[in-house]
Amino acid sequence: NAGVTQTPKFRVLKTGQSMTLLCAQDMNHEYMYWYRQDPGMGLRLIHYSVGEGTTAKGEVPDGYNVSRLKKQNFLLGLESAAPSQTSVYFCASKDTLSSYEQYFGPGTRLTVT
Amino acid sequence: SQQGEEDPQALSIQEGENATMNCSYKTSINNLQWYRQNSGRGLVHLILIRSNEREKHSGRLRVTLDTSKKSSSLLITASRAADTASYFCATAAFSNSGGYQKVTFGTGTKLQVIP
Repeated sequence: NAGVTQTPKFRVLKTGQSMTLLCAQDMNHEYMYWYRQDPGMGLRLIHYSVGEGTTAKGEVPDGYNVSRLKKQNFLLGLESAAPSQTSVYFCASKDTLSSYEQYFGPGTRLTVT
Repeated sequence: SQQGEEDPQALSIQEGENATMNCSYKTSINNLQWYRQNSGRGLVHLILIRSNEREKHSGRLRVTLDTSKKSSSLLITASRAADTASYFCATAAFSNSGGYQKVTFGTGTKLQVIP
């Protein structure tokens, strides 16, 4: 039982390049989330999903797209990376609507130059 | 300012001392959670307190909630070097459209426990 895993762990992109971050969970959780963490800002929600095939915008969705084609995977895409997207990205999952605890992945550190 | 703001931003104590960190929030909530983040790692859930509860204990952790003041505190007793981490509060409330529980994380308190 690996919990929540994220791929890759580190990445450096040039402005304008694209990439996809992969989040996988093996706990059969319904809810999945993508956050970004910046110094002094706490965690901010980018997009989330309440089940397979669903996605919704969070607090800071601009510049990102997501897909949840399989229940266990939640992909975060950057179509044209910008330096403002330099951050640490965390994926999290939660069992159901009534459950509270979110399980976090180890994070992906992304630098856009 | 953000929904959850921790105070202090940073705290340095000696091993064996107690550590207290506070969280203030602005809107009504269903529950409040505390998470720990070790350097370079993801967040780990510590404890949850519901809006109708005033105090909760879990091992060396004690959480209080004052909904009239919209504030919560996390007390770690008899701190250890391994408690060195950042601590975040997270407030949860059902969204206006219903059916979704919006969770908002605070900015965190960085705790250093000196051996």
